[in-house]
Amino acid sequence: KAGVTQTPRYLIKTRGQQVTLSCSPISGHRSVSWYQQTPGQGLQFLFEYFSETQRNKGNFPGRFSGRQFSNSRSEMNVSTLELGDSALYLCASSRDAANYGYTFGSGTRLTVV
Amino acid sequence: ELKVEQNPLFLSMQEGKNYTIYCNYSTTSDRLYWYRQDPGKSLESLFVLLSNGAVKQEGRLMASLDTKARLSTLHITAAVHDLSATYFCAVVMGSRGTYKYIFGTGTRLKVLA
Repeated sequence: KAGVTQTPRYLIKTRGQQVTLSCSPISGHRSVSWYQQTPGQGLQFLFEYFSETQRNKGNFPGRFSGRQFSNSRSEMNVSTLELGDSALYLCASSRDAANYGYTFGSGTRLTVV
Repeated sequence: ELKVEQNPLFLSMQEGKNYTIYCNYSTTSDRLYWYRQDPGKSLESLFVLLSNGAVKQEGRLMASLDTKARLSTLHITAAVHDLSATYFCAVVMGSRGTYKYIFGTGTRLKVLA
């Protein structure tokens, strides 16, 4: 059974650029969430999508956005990159987040230089 | 705002010893998850705790949840080197089908041979 697939695995961007990260959830999972992990702030919730609708959003600036497609695949976009955006971005999917929890992907390591 | 605190942050222990990791949270929730993360890897689900008094065990790890005390514990019995990793608790916040996890700070465990 395929897990949550995130691409690319590694990314290096310069300040001011924008970046798009991709996530393919486990087949049948309609809920997709994104988290940012940094040494200083730990794991922080970015947003959650279900059936192409953003249902929940964390405390991140508007430069961070996302979307979900009809096949449940999700993308996350960060515009006007800052050095502080360097982090591991984790995508997670679930069929029922309350009772079964999320399965996380391997993450995309973004480095902003 | 919900705060989730884990202690200790760092734990170095000898093989064969027992120890407990604590996860305290500041507001009402009746669902909590434990995850393991190896260096450079994603989060692996360990336990799903869905009600007050829930206890789950897998191998040398046992997790429990006391929702009245807002406390979860992860007990390690007779530690082995393979358990070296960072352990996170995640408190589930949300309702009506939309949920987000608030992660603890993580406990970095190192088991010495």
